[in-house]
Amino acid sequence: NAGVMQNPRHLVRRRGQEARLRCSPMKGHSHVYWYRQLPEEGLKFMVYLQKENIIDESGMPKERFSAEFPKEGPSILRIQQVVRGDSAAYFCASSPGANNQPQHFGDGTRLSIL
Amino acid sequence: GENVEQHPSTLSVQEGDSAVIKCTYSDSASNYFPWYKQELGKGPQLIIDIRSNVGEKKDQRIAVTLNKTAKHFSLHITETQPEDSAVYFCAASIEGNQFYFGTGTSLTVIP
Repeated sequence: NAGVMQNPRHLVRRRGQEARLRCSPMKGHSHVYWYRQLPEEGLKFMVYLQKENIIDESGMPKERFSAEFPKEGPSILRIQQVVRGDSAAYFCASSPGANNQPQHFGDGTRLSIL
Repeated sequence: GENVEQHPSTLSVQEGDSAVIKCTYSDSASNYFPWYKQELGKGPQLIIDIRSNVGEKKDQRIAVTLNKTAKHFSLHITETQPEDSAVYFCAASIEGNQFYFGTGTSLTVIP
């Protein structure tokens, strides 16, 4: 009965380092979404992936950010050369299909940049 | 893109009273409206959702109403309990691939 699993729960990086955030969707779900949440704000869409495909990356910054969802293994959100402004909570959600299927969220990764 | 506004940003009610949170959206093509509850340090948890072909939906103490003409939808919690205290987010979706979230309502239920 595992839900969406994200790790690590907390990640601390120094400016210029790389951050890798992992997300394992719920069993049976093949659609993954990444959102970013700044303190006291709502969630902002970043990217939507299916297995081995990026479907919509309209919310993803053009530089330093990338995402993948390989055939095997979790989805990865990768942030290169992190800056202080990248500090946020990053949430992953999954759904069994597209087009108005409920999205179920993990508990997020809190990224802190020193 | 879609723009979702949510009010109020904070809400305090006495235990047993009702709480109402309202959201408006801008894109008439939006057709799916979920509500999430987020507790401190946790991810958003889906509590109820409504589709554009339905005007109202109820699940025990929680109900959601949708007015497509006015482009607004509301969350109603009756007989509030202290464990209802959390941040609540509304969202709207056009094709289901991307949710547009409101800025959240921090609900406090006073025992």
